[in-house]
Amino acid sequence: QQQVKQSPQSLIVQKGGISIINCAYENTAFDYFPWYQQFPGKGPALLIAIRPDVSEKKEGRFTISFNKSAKQFSLHIMDSQPGDSATYFCAATTISGTYKYIFGTGTRLKVLA
Amino acid sequence: DVKVTQSSRYLVKRTGEKVFLECVQDMDHENMFWYRQDPGLGLRLIYFSYDVKMKEKGDIPEGYSVSREKKERFSLILESASTNQTSMYLCASSSPGQGDSPLHFGNGTRLTVT
Repeated sequence: QQQVKQSPQSLIVQKGGISIINCAYENTAFDYFPWYQQFPGKGPALLIAIRPDVSEKKEGRFTISFNKSAKQFSLHIMDSQPGDSATYFCAATTISGTYKYIFGTGTRLKVLA
Repeated sequence: DVKVTQSSRYLVKRTGEKVFLECVQDMDHENMFWYRQDPGLGLRLIYFSYDVKMKEKGDIPEGYSVSREKKERFSLILESASTNQTSMYLCASSSPGQGDSPLHFGNGTRLTVT
C-alpha cells in the first residue's frame, strides 16, 4: 500500500530525444507527487511536482502526466540534453500528513551527446 | 538558498563503533529528516523530526537513533555500526506547514563499515 514503483531502472536516450520515466502507486490517500533530480555527488533536488486535481503539469522541457484512475504518473523530458543526465526519483505523500515521502527506487538517465 | 550541510563526505568505521553523522541547516526549518540511499532501493526514511527534541521513526529505524538538541542541527547515531549499514546517508530539511513543502537535501555522507 505504501510502495511507489518506478521504472525503468536505467535509461539511455540520444540528445534531442524524449525521456520517459514511469511511477505507479497504490495508496489512494496520496495527493502530492514530486519528482527529484540528483546529480552525481549531490543530494536530490525538487524538479517538478503535481497534485491530482490536474492531469498534466509542464515546466520548460519537463512535464508530469498524471492518471488518477490508473494510479500512475510519469515524467517526460523533451529535447533531452546531456546536462539532464542524472538519477530521477518519483515520490508520493499526503499534503496534510506527517511529511513522510515515499520515494521510488530511482531511474538513472544518461543522455548521449 | 537553503543550505543543508553534512559534516562528512566520506566516513570509514569499524564494526561495533559508535558513529555520529551530523547535519546542519541554515534556513530555520522546523522539519529535518535522515534518509538512507541504496542502489535499487531508492531513498528510505530512517527518522524525522518536526521540532527540537521531537523525533519520529521512519520506515527503517532499527539500529539507528537521532538527536535534535538545537533547531538547526539533526544528528544520526549508529550505536554499534554493522556492515549492513554501509550506505549513503542523506539529511534533508523542510519548512513547516503542509506536506508539499519541498525537501532540501545535503550532499550526503557515504559511510563504509568494515
